[in-house]
Amino acid sequence: LAKTTQPISMDSYEGQEVNITCSHNNIATNDYITWYQQFPSQGPRFIIQGYKTKVTNEVASLFIPADRKSSTLSLPRVSLSDTAVYYCLVGAFGSGYALNFGKGTSLLVTP
Amino acid sequence: KAGVTQTPRYLIKTRGQQVTLSCSPISGHRSVSWYQQTPGQGLQFLFEYFSETQRNKGNFPGRFSGRQFSNSRSEMNVSTLELGDSALYLCASSGGQGGNSPLHFGNGTRLTVT
Repeated sequence: LAKTTQPISMDSYEGQEVNITCSHNNIATNDYITWYQQFPSQGPRFIIQGYKTKVTNEVASLFIPADRKSSTLSLPRVSLSDTAVYYCLVGAFGSGYALNFGKGTSLLVTP
Repeated sequence: KAGVTQTPRYLIKTRGQQVTLSCSPISGHRSVSWYQQTPGQGLQFLFEYFSETQRNKGNFPGRFSGRQFSNSRSEMNVSTLELGDSALYLCASSGGQGGNSPLHFGNGTRLTVT
């Protein structure tokens, strides 16, 4: 089970790009990297998933270097509504997993 | 598609009682997993079911149990409630097959034990 390390908290101003890096040194060959966003009293929401290189969707980009020992979630031009906790997950879903969410990164966006 | 539905949304119980929480996964999803979230411990994995079989279990006492029905709906039971069981209990479903089946979470059941 891959252990992940993320910053506990980050601050940003509206309109800036935010990059959150997650370290996962013992990632296994079959593992995917998935990021979730969670607001208070709600369940985590899927943001983006990748295996290697770069993945982009309508809300974020995910950069994964060749060695896959880390990944960076990039949120372009954040708004106040992006204030949330962001979790990085590493695992091979669908094979009887026991996922470790860790404490996540608490992002605060201010005007 | 309807999302993951958890009922009830809120529960208040007293110590020593037992409680059952319900989760309806996204249609077609066969994997259901449960998590406990508290301010101090964060999100902790309880167990995962796939096609009515428990595939994996987290490090929780035997008072925490679950099951999955043939329609993939799942229930979680906690017996002999303790104050420390107060938490947000989250259920997630996924396709359950293949390495890239992300979890889809419900909004949880907020359990308060007094």
